[in-house]
Amino acid sequence: NAGVTQTPKFQVLKTGQSMTLQCAQDMNHNSMYWYRQDPGMGLRLIYYSASEGTTDKGEVPNGYNVSRLNKREFSLRLESAAPSQTSVYFCASRVDRGNNEQFFGPGTRLTVL
Amino acid sequence: AQSVSQHNHHVILSEAASLELGCNYSYGGTVNLFWYVQYPGQHLQLLLKYFSGDPLVKGIKGFEAEFIKSKFSFNLRKPSVQWSDTAEYFCAVNMEYGNKLVFGAGTILRVKS
Repeated sequence: NAGVTQTPKFQVLKTGQSMTLQCAQDMNHNSMYWYRQDPGMGLRLIYYSASEGTTDKGEVPNGYNVSRLNKREFSLRLESAAPSQTSVYFCASRVDRGNNEQFFGPGTRLTVL
Repeated sequence: AQSVSQHNHHVILSEAASLELGCNYSYGGTVNLFWYVQYPGQHLQLLLKYFSGDPLVKGIKGFEAEFIKSKFSFNLRKPSVQWSDTAEYFCAVNMEYGNKLVFGAGTILRVKS
């Protein structure tokens, strides 16, 4: 099992450009999540998807959109990147039976100039 | 809304020193508690988790944590740290059977050899 994979690993954008961060998991998990990590702020939830076809806003959804393409894939889109979106983005997934932890991908380091 | 507080943002220890990292949360109901670790340049990995039962839980690499319900705390401990424990440590909480984690701001641990 590869677990949770993310592409790309690094990206530099100019203000106003758009891009999509890709995430896939091969653990047959129902729930998937997107977080951003900023120094001194921990991880903050951007969006999550409890199941295929459903998405919900997290703590910091402004400026982002998501798509739960199928059970495996959950993408995060920045339509018009801003310097405030410079961050490290992590995708995670979780099985929903009972109480279980989230499994994290390797992250995407995004810089917006 | 739930919140998680980690009291120390930076901790510097010498090898073989004992470690205790504080974590307090604000939710009054039944919770699931986690400690994640992020080694430099890597993604988050689960150190240990508490769902129910014995409030003293043991994790990987000699770490343990104690859940004290009356204090809303879940402090992480290790009797003797090693240089390889240099990392950032995150406490996280979700409501029982909930599907969203709330993270603390993280504690950066540097162990001097």
